[in-house]
Amino acid sequence: QVQLQQSGAELVKPGSSVKISCKASGYTFTSYDMHWIKQQPGNGLEWIGWIYPGNGNTKYNQKFNGKATLTADKSSSTAYMQLSSLTSEDSAVYFCARSGYTTDYYYVPFAYWGQGTLVTVSS
Amino acid sequence: DIQLTQSPSSMSASLGDRVSLTCQSSQGIGNYLSWYQHKPGKPPKPMIYYATNLADGVPSRFSGSRSGSDYSLTISSLESEDTAIYYCLQYDEYPRTFGGGTKLELK
Repeated sequence: QVQLQQSGAELVKPGSSVKISCKASGYTFTSYDMHWIKQQPGNGLEWIGWIYPGNGNTKYNQKFNGKATLTADKSSSTAYMQLSSLTSEDSAVYFCARSGYTTDYYYVPFAYWGQGTLVTVSS
Repeated sequence: DIQLTQSPSSMSASLGDRVSLTCQSSQGIGNYLSWYQHKPGKPPKPMIYYATNLADGVPSRFSGSRSGSDYSLTISSLESEDTAIYYCLQYDEYPRTFGGGTKLELK
């Protein structure tokens, strides 16, 4: 079964960077996009971008250009997201998510989710 | 970017009620709309994909429909476990965008 295991909560200082991870299991890591989504209380959900681990291709929400950097390590089936120049606006829960396909080939966006990583930016 | 407007932003209903949540798209997205149920402390759970298709494991009291650029998620008979925030997502274009959510509570 598909599982996405994210790294633990982070408390980081303003102006610093943080790198969170999402370890995938139960499927061929290089065959599916990995997406990242931000959840802020009261602000709903925002799509940050995706990476295709098979070739490292990425696509970002323009809003997160320069803020988020997505990478993937095929050897450990782990996707990473680095957030830089952190401010209080970056305090949020971050999810990794993978899409899927039904048996009749419908695309199901964000069919599988990690448990979320809480990032708190505070001095 | 495509804007999705969900209404109402919050609502309360009684057990057994028929509940309908709506999501309006700012431009045409065909059937490329999905719905997610989000409970505190858990990741969102897919409920509906391609506007009208029930995701795996979702009870049959949930259904999705479309009328033009208006999309609905309907619960035919509300159960206590259905209290959550529900989000719609468009996946027709990048960036993917979510609606602002509807918080569903029990009366």
